[in-house]
Amino acid sequence: ETGVTQTPRHLVMGMTNKKSLKCEQHLGHNAMYWYKQSAKKPLELMFVYSLEERVENNSVPSRFSPECPNSSHLFLHLHTLQPEDSALYLCASSQLTSGGNEQFFGPGTRLTVL
Amino acid sequence: QKEVEQDPGPLSVPEGAIVSLNCTYSNSAFQYFMWYRQYSRKGPELLMYTYSSGNKEDGRFTAQVDKSSKYISLFIRDSQPSDSATYLCAMIGQGAQKLVFGQGTRLTINP
Repeated sequence: ETGVTQTPRHLVMGMTNKKSLKCEQHLGHNAMYWYKQSAKKPLELMFVYSLEERVENNSVPSRFSPECPNSSHLFLHLHTLQPEDSALYLCASSQLTSGGNEQFFGPGTRLTVL
Repeated sequence: QKEVEQDPGPLSVPEGAIVSLNCTYSNSAFQYFMWYRQYSRKGPELLMYTYSSGNKEDGRFTAQVDKSSKYISLFIRDSQPSDSATYLCAMIGQGAQKLVFGQGTRLTINP
């Protein structure tokens, strides 16, 4: 595996279900991110983990719960979602330096909440 | 006012045309500028990465940054149908963690 991988690629869930999205980066980076991408909206940053510590939580509802057990893996745990949470969820990673912060994205998980 | 403004299009041009995609921004702290290409139902792919003002060329793609005008551009020469995608601009300040994205421009190259 190379780059950033995400599973599952597609997920359909009911509002009462609990599911998890998984992301793995094979780039040796020290930061990982969750983004939400909805139609006709800019990418929305949800969470940032730097060296496995959460450094940003952009007022995301508590029904989204991130977990970063190590620098290569990132999870997004989902429970009691709403239909408006249907979107493409993207994971990204980067190597934080004093310069720019090139982020590399995974293919995303297309989530549909019924 | 949004930090980054990008015309969402859609933009449709014939094959072989020169395409110009643009973003404007308001935060003068931005130092690094990126263009991502996103095909339908895929994740964004980093296309171009530039620091500060100036031009950068990579094959048929040229990225331009004008910090005095807070304006960045991506030019695609000899456009191909395979260039049809959504193009997102993104930018960040020195040592910052949070990339700020434009809305993305949907581009179609017609054979």
